[in-house]
Amino acid sequence: EIVLTQSPNTMAASPGEKVTITCRASSSVSYMYWYQQMSDASPKLWIYDTSKLASGVPDRFSGSGSGTSYSLTINTMEAEDAATYYCQQCCSTPWTFGGGTKLELK
Amino acid sequence: EVQLVESGGGLVQPGRSLKLSCAASGFTFSDYAMAWVRQAPKKGLEWVATIIYDGSSTYYRDSVKGRFTISRDNAKSTLYLQMDSLRSEDTATYYCASHSSLFAYWGQGTLVTVSS
Repeated sequence: EIVLTQSPNTMAASPGEKVTITCRASSSVSYMYWYQQMSDASPKLWIYDTSKLASGVPDRFSGSGSGTSYSLTINTMEAEDAATYYCQQCCSTPWTFGGGTKLELK
Repeated sequence: EVQLVESGGGLVQPGRSLKLSCAASGFTFSDYAMAWVRQAPKKGLEWVATIIYDGSSTYYRDSVKGRFTISRDNAKSTLYLQMDSLRSEDTATYYCASHSSLFAYWGQGTLVTVSS
């Protein structure tokens, strides 16, 4: 099983601040996906194929990485970005998620 | 607009059974693999099971193999999860989702509580 480790577990950012969330895989994967989950809501696909933004995702978001190290970056934090973000590996069963990063507004 | 609507959750005693349903609309259900993903209270996401587009292949996480059965009725655009021999650790919100290595569309979830 591929274990995904996200860091940090929680963080707070001020409006306008740059935010980076990392996801490390226990084995190399070809792509990483990211989901956003607002409080008491279903997850939403946010980034696919490592760096492609899902429909409706603001372009202040970006994704990057390869092999065992991936990241999600918010160029300038906005209040509406406060949520929990999960990474998910593409390629090996069981399909696994990271433990989540809770991003709060400072 | 894609819609996935889960139903069937509730409070159930350990060892008993429950069957979840997910009604799909807004896309060609029979073209897509579908999955169940769960989330225990205050915890992260956990993939449970996947069924391919025509139902001919299924995949399960180890902890539910032999207890849970995923199935689908393409004529009714409905996904199911039969859960038997339920345990307290199965307590979670269960989401149905379209699955093509990524989970593109998600339902609103249905809460299953396993407790005596």
